[in-house]
Amino acid sequence: QQPVQSPQAVILREGEDAVINCSSSKALYSVHWYRQKHGEAPVFLMILLKGGEQKGHDKISASFNEKKQQSSLYLTASQLSYSGTYFCGTVLNDMRFGAGTRLTVKP
Amino acid sequence: NAGVTQTPKFQVLKTGQSMTLQCAQDMNHEYMSWYRQDPGMGLRLIHYSVGAGITDQGEVPNGYNVSRSTTEDFPLRLLSAAPSQTSVYFCASRTRVYSNQPQHFGDGTRLSIL
Repeated sequence: QQPVQSPQAVILREGEDAVINCSSSKALYSVHWYRQKHGEAPVFLMILLKGGEQKGHDKISASFNEKKQQSSLYLTASQLSYSGTYFCGTVLNDMRFGAGTRLTVKP
Repeated sequence: NAGVTQTPKFQVLKTGQSMTLQCAQDMNHEYMSWYRQDPGMGLRLIHYSVGAGITDQGEVPNGYNVSRSTTEDFPLRLLSAAPSQTSVYFCASRTRVYSNQPQHFGDGTRLSIL
């Protein structure tokens, strides 16, 4: 039941865009997105509930396609501070996380 | 504004020893859970609880026990530590499993088993 994330890693230059995908084989209640810096706890970014909504937070937004049980995280005009590992968490009867996507933003 | 508090932050054990990782939250959250994080594996769910007196297994429950006697506390017990249990352990809580509120994480416990 662990969601599948792609890509595993991505390297960007400042100002470039990135998309991180998360998919599940089960019908989900919601999808969460978190970012984790090295040696720290995961930090909440946003929640998407079933219903196909899309949310935004500064230059980071996400969508949830309920029919496909897929969510995508969009990072626009990336900044150095966006570097870290991004996890999607999917809620069915509990919350499970994907293996993560390591994002590196270079000057 | 404590949030989710985990103790200890670091621990070294010998193979075969037992210990309890403590987790407490002060937000009156019903749902609490334990994850372990290993390099390249993401966060894997060990056990979770939807309320006091109710616990259930996650993805990797073997070798771990939990109990939930109060809403605030959710300790994780290692019965007989093994080197494969060397990991970073995170406790987390939410209002309820079906909620539009975020999940809060503790700072983690870094556990090494020799």
